[in-house]
Amino acid sequence: EARLAESGGGLVQPGGSLRLSCAASGFNFDAYAMHWVRQAPGKGLMWVSGLSWSGDVFGYADSVRGRFTISRDNAKNSLSLQMISLTTEDMAFYYCVKSADSQLWTSAAFDHWGLGTLVTVSS
Amino acid sequence: SSELSQPPSVSVFPGQTASITCSGDDLDDTYVSWYQQKPGRPPLLLIFKDIKRPSGIPERFSGSNSGRTATLTISGIQVMDEADYYCQAWDTSRSFDFGAGTRVTVL
Repeated sequence: EARLAESGGGLVQPGGSLRLSCAASGFNFDAYAMHWVRQAPGKGLMWVSGLSWSGDVFGYADSVRGRFTISRDNAKNSLSLQMISLTTEDMAFYYCVKSADSQLWTSAAFDHWGLGTLVTVSS
Repeated sequence: SSELSQPPSVSVFPGQTASITCSGDDLDDTYVSWYQQKPGRPPLLLIFKDIKRPSGIPERFSGSNSGRTATLTISGIQVMDEADYYCQAWDTSRSFDFGAGTRVTVL
């Protein structure tokens, strides 16, 4: 069974930076695209960023493009999200999510989700 | 990018059928997935490729897609099905969209 464990969340001041990590296990990590999806407390889901199995195809939501960087290390079964210039609008639970497909831009479902890590942006 | 529209809430009595719609201009060009989320828990995949159920998902959950409207149907609803439900689809303009979510209440 696929397992995804996020870490790196916490309290950061507006304008600050944070790096989220996701440790994957229970499946062939290097065979699947991966995503980050966030959810502000009491709000809905929003796709943040995604990366193909190889890492050479990636994408970002308009609201984070230029501030967030997604990456993966297939040798270490890990996914990361580097976030800079954080604002209160970025405050949310961030979920590491496995795609059902190796390619990024497909209709494949998000078939496994981590428990999430909370990012709080406040002065 | 496209937007997916869902009703904010649906209420049904135990044993009845709940139907949740998801409307979007581009849904006839892509597959729709559905997720269930209970309080304090991550989303759970219920339906993928419009109509398919992952292993372990009860048969009372079913999906359909008639072009611009996808529907999640919960037949013989149970109290344990009280949750928020989200539809999701790939937007061919290089994004992934979620509906705003539908809160299902079992009366």
